Amino acid sequence: EVQLVQSGAEVKKPGESLKISCRASGYSFVYYWIGWVRQLPGKGLEWMGTIYPDDSETRYSPSFQGQVTMSVDKSIATAYLQWSGLKTSDTGVYFCARMPELPYYFDSWGQGTLVTVSS
Amino acid sequence: DIVMSQSPDSLAVALGERATINCTSSQSVLHSSKKSRNFLAWFQQKPGQAPNLLLYWASTRKSGVPDRFSGSGSGTDFTLTISSLQPEDVAVYYCQQYYSTPFSFGQGTKLGIK
Repeated sequence: EVQLVQSGAEVKKPGESLKISCRASGYSFVYYWIGWVRQLPGKGLEWMGTIYPDDSETRYSPSFQGQVTMSVDKSIATAYLQWSGLKTSDTGVYFCARMPELPYYFDSWGQGTLVTVSS
Repeated sequence: DIVMSQSPDSLAVALGERATINCTSSQSVLHSSKKSRNFLAWFQQKPGQAPNLLLYWASTRKSGVPDRFSGSGSGTDFTLTISSLQPEDVAVYYCQQYYSTPFSFGQGTKLGIK
């Protein structure tokens, strides 16, 4: 069974750094793209970007380029999304999801990680 | 970038009645060189949950999705239809294009019971 399990909720202060994770199981991690999607409180879904674990090729949405960094650790089948200086406007839920190839639809999703940034 | 727009923003339908949600893309998502497929998906999201894939290639139902859910359209105009609304269908529905990055979503349509 394909599973994407995300790390738990985080509470941070503005300016702090953060790295959240998405652990994959049930399939060959390196050969499927992992994408990240943001959902601000009470709002819709925003596509942030995607990474190919085999070679770490990344495609960022222009809206998120330079704001976040996507990475993977193939040895533990885990993808990461990180911030170096959080803002209060980063508060929201972040989902990881899997794509068999690019371009393709997301066929499996993680449960989401709530990130709260508040002073 | 491709901009996706959905209508209406919210919708209330009586149980057992038909619900129709529309989705328009700012440019065609029909890929003529990839089996003439429309690179469009529909998702359902219930409160506190991750989105759930309902349909892909605009009209292909994901395994396990009830057949009351159907998708139609091509090019820039698409429709999600729920033929007979059930209580468990109360949710927000999103369309998404995966034709070109960034793979944008519509703003969502909130579906409730009348």
